[in-house]
Amino acid sequence: QVQLKESGPGLVQPSQTLSLTCTVSGFSLMDYSVHWVRQPPGKGLEWMGRMKYDGDTYYNSALKSRLSISRDTSKSQVFLKMNSLQTEDTAIYYCTRVEDYSGDYFDYWGQGVMVTVSS
Amino acid sequence: DIQMTQSPASLSASLGETVTIECRASEDIYNGLAWYQQKPGKSPQLLIYNANSLHTGVPSRFSGSGSGTQYSLKINSLQSEDVASYFCQQYYDYPYTFGAGTKLELK
Repeated sequence: QVQLKESGPGLVQPSQTLSLTCTVSGFSLMDYSVHWVRQPPGKGLEWMGRMKYDGDTYYNSALKSRLSISRDTSKSQVFLKMNSLQTEDTAIYYCTRVEDYSGDYFDYWGQGVMVTVSS
Repeated sequence: DIQMTQSPASLSASLGETVTIECRASEDIYNGLAWYQQKPGKSPQLLIYNANSLHTGVPSRFSGSGSGTQYSLKINSLQSEDVASYFCQQYYDYPYTFGAGTKLELK
């Protein structure tokens, strides 16, 4: 069955770089796109960016200067890197799957990984 | 960026009642709208896509409607397991944006 699972450090120091991995199963990264969405504690959802099935990337302009998304299709993994972290980047980070053909809605979500930015 | 204004922010309803949540986009999003349900401590789950299509496995008491800039999610015959937060999301244009959410509680 379709699964996505985020992994990464739970605590990052201010000004440091966040590195997260989304490991997927049950589908191919060459057939579906993966997007990253984050949610500060008790708040709403923010779309961050996406890795399209063809390898193309697109980022939220609010984060573009700090964000990078890449992948390793052989390992079924998508990577998120974001630098210059601040306390306002404290959030649950989700990777999600998009079918692409009928619309860019998120039909499957990972469980999320909580990232706290603190010294 | 397209702004999504969701209302109400919170809602209290009784079992068996029908509830409606609204979402207004700052411009026409041509039915590029999804609704998600999020229970405490869990990731969001897709309910409705393309404004009115029910995702696989979602109970038929959930329905979506609307067009242009105005969309709504209706829950018929509210069940206890529907207590959750609900978010709308537009995917018509980048950056994709979400409504602020509606917290649904039982009266």
